[in-house]
Amino acid sequence: SQELEQSPQSLIVQEGKNLTINCTSSKTLYGLYWYKQKYGEGLIFLMMLQKGGEEKSHEKITAKLDEKKQQSSLHITASQPSHAGIYLCGADTPLVQGAQKLVFGQGTRLTINP
Amino acid sequence: ETGVTQSPTHLIKTRGQQVTLRCSSQSGHNTVSWYQQALGQGPQFIFQYYREEENGRGNFPPRFSGLQFPNYSSELNVNALELDDSALYLCASSLRLAGGLSYNEQFFGPGTRLTVL
Repeated sequence: SQELEQSPQSLIVQEGKNLTINCTSSKTLYGLYWYKQKYGEGLIFLMMLQKGGEEKSHEKITAKLDEKKQQSSLHITASQPSHAGIYLCGADTPLVQGAQKLVFGQGTRLTINP
Repeated sequence: ETGVTQSPTHLIKTRGQQVTLRCSSQSGHNTVSWYQQALGQGPQFIFQYYREEENGRGNFPPRFSGLQFPNYSSELNVNALELDDSALYLCASSLRLAGGLSYNEQFFGPGTRLTVL
């Protein structure tokens, strides 16, 4: 079964600094999703990556999928307090008849200090 | 466009009781998945419903059951509650087309926080 490992598990950075969160899969990734979660709340979709070498950006957040499609990274530039939260990577995993479920990493808790 | 909604937001039950959680899918979506998220962990897949049938199931015992209604809303039922069932329960909706092609992006609701005492 597919497993995702995120690193680091927690991260404390000073406001304005850059940071990177990594997500490593035990199997080839066919759809990799990044979500953000405020403590105890639902997941907010950030980005989806499918192709090896793909890179997507939204505002100050950039996500990449490596060429071998087994590792993804999420990079935040010039971090702000609004970036604080839990970041989760999720991978498409087949169910039956074309249906998919998501397998998640354990999450990375990001704290931004002023 | 209406997003995914869940009710109730919080729930406190005692061991051995039964609970029903509800989810309304995003407008236009026909597939609902349920996930359990324990404190400090990533969400774990419970099951998925499409066309009112269970589409797949994670490693959860039979006391976790569900339903999907013709309007694509869904319920998660848990019988004989145990302390370890305390968690955030997340519902996610997505669109699956006839013929098996799926738009895999899942939109999540705000969750129901279940506490079992």
